[in-house]
Amino acid sequence: DVVMTQTPVSLSVSLGGQTSISCRSSQSLVHSDGNTYLYWYLQKPGQSPQLLIYKVSNRFSGVPDRFSGSGSGTDFTLKISRVEPEDLGVYYCYQGTHYPFTFGSGTKLEIK
Amino acid sequence: AVQLVESGGGLVQPKESLKISCAASGFTFSNAAMYWVRQAPGKGLEWVARIRTKPNNYATYYADSVKGRFTISRDDSKSMVYLQMDNLKTEDTAMYYCTAANNYWGQGVMVTVSS
Repeated sequence: DVVMTQTPVSLSVSLGGQTSISCRSSQSLVHSDGNTYLYWYLQKPGQSPQLLIYKVSNRFSGVPDRFSGSGSGTDFTLKISRVEPEDLGVYYCYQGTHYPFTFGSGTKLEIK
Repeated sequence: AVQLVESGGGLVQPKESLKISCAASGFTFSNAAMYWVRQAPGKGLEWVARIRTKPNNYATYYADSVKGRFTISRDDSKSMVYLQMDNLKTEDTAMYYCTAANNYWGQGVMVTVSS
């Protein structure tokens, strides 16, 4: 199975600040169709996860441009700029390239 | 607006069966691969199963932890996706989420397996 390693486990950011989360996969996430099925989700307290980024760097509908995704192969990053109170929660990366699909263990974002 | 509403959860004993459902609306259901993802209390997310669309022969895929015990299915005429769970184990206790093409998620349904 593909292991998704997320770092850090938790982070604390000031309002208006910037931060990033790393996600590394144990094998390349490039699919045979040429796409890289790497996603980022945010699970706010008491809610179901919501999609932020799909296929590495594409913002989902309604996601503010403060969120950006980058990376390739096995190394991916989610950047959050101008952090706002509603950004708190747990962020997960997820690969949909190799079965079984797998999630990272999550990064908890707290607001200072 | 896209809506996914799960139902059918509850408390069951080990080795029993349960079938949970997800009603979809607000998008072309027949065009979307559907998934189940679960989250044990206080834990992270775990992908459970996927079912593809009719052009892809409704192909199904499962996590190793549920293979042979769980069955995902869909009814495009009703915009419904199901998860039949047999021989349940205590470690299957979790909130089960239905997702459409990894994009939209329901609010989840709780399944508790306990004697």
